[in-house]
Amino acid sequence: NAGVTQTPKFRVLKTGQSMTLLCAQDMNHEYMYWYRQDPGMGLRLIHYSVGEGTTAKGEVPDGYNVSRLKKQNFLLGLESAAPSQTSVYFCASSYLSGSYYNEQFFGPGTRLTVL
Amino acid sequence: AQRVTQPEKLLSVFKGAPVELKCNYSYSGSPELFWYVQYSRQRLQLLLRHISRESIKGFTADLNKGETSFHLKKPFAQEEDSAMYYCALSSSGGYQKVTFGTGTKLQVIP
Repeated sequence: NAGVTQTPKFRVLKTGQSMTLLCAQDMNHEYMYWYRQDPGMGLRLIHYSVGEGTTAKGEVPDGYNVSRLKKQNFLLGLESAAPSQTSVYFCASSYLSGSYYNEQFFGPGTRLTVL
Repeated sequence: AQRVTQPEKLLSVFKGAPVELKCNYSYSGSPELFWYVQYSRQRLQLLLRHISRESIKGFTADLNKGETSFHLKKPFAQEEDSAMYYCALSSSGGYQKVTFGTGTKLQVIP
């Protein structure tokens, strides 16, 4: 199993450009998440999904959109990139068993620079 | 609102010395707490969770509900323990809402 994969690994954008980050998981997990990691701020949730066809906003959703058309994929879009979106983006997935939420499985990250 | 506080950005210890990474949380319900680790150039991965009550790579963490703490401890630090450590709190509410602390970088000096 590949686990959680992310493409691309690195990307440089100019202000105003758009792009899509792809996250894929092969563990049949229901829940998927997009985080951004910034120095001194830990991981902050951008958007999440509790199942195919459903998405919701996290704590820092502005400037991002997401889609989950297939259970295994979770896409993060930047319509008009801004320098403030320079960050490392992590995708994660998890599942519920019984009454406990389990660990989140993370992708390797995408390092995005917006000039 | 749930909150996780890791007061130290950087913790430097000598090899063989004890390690304690602090984590305090704020949550009105019954929390599920985790420690995640990120080694250099690797993805975040689970180190341990409080419900398992296990020791991983010599690390342990005890949930203290009275002090709302979940400190990570290891009696003898090793160089390979150098990494970024994140404390995380998981709650229910329609989805698994996970709040991460800001992380502590552990540097083990040879």
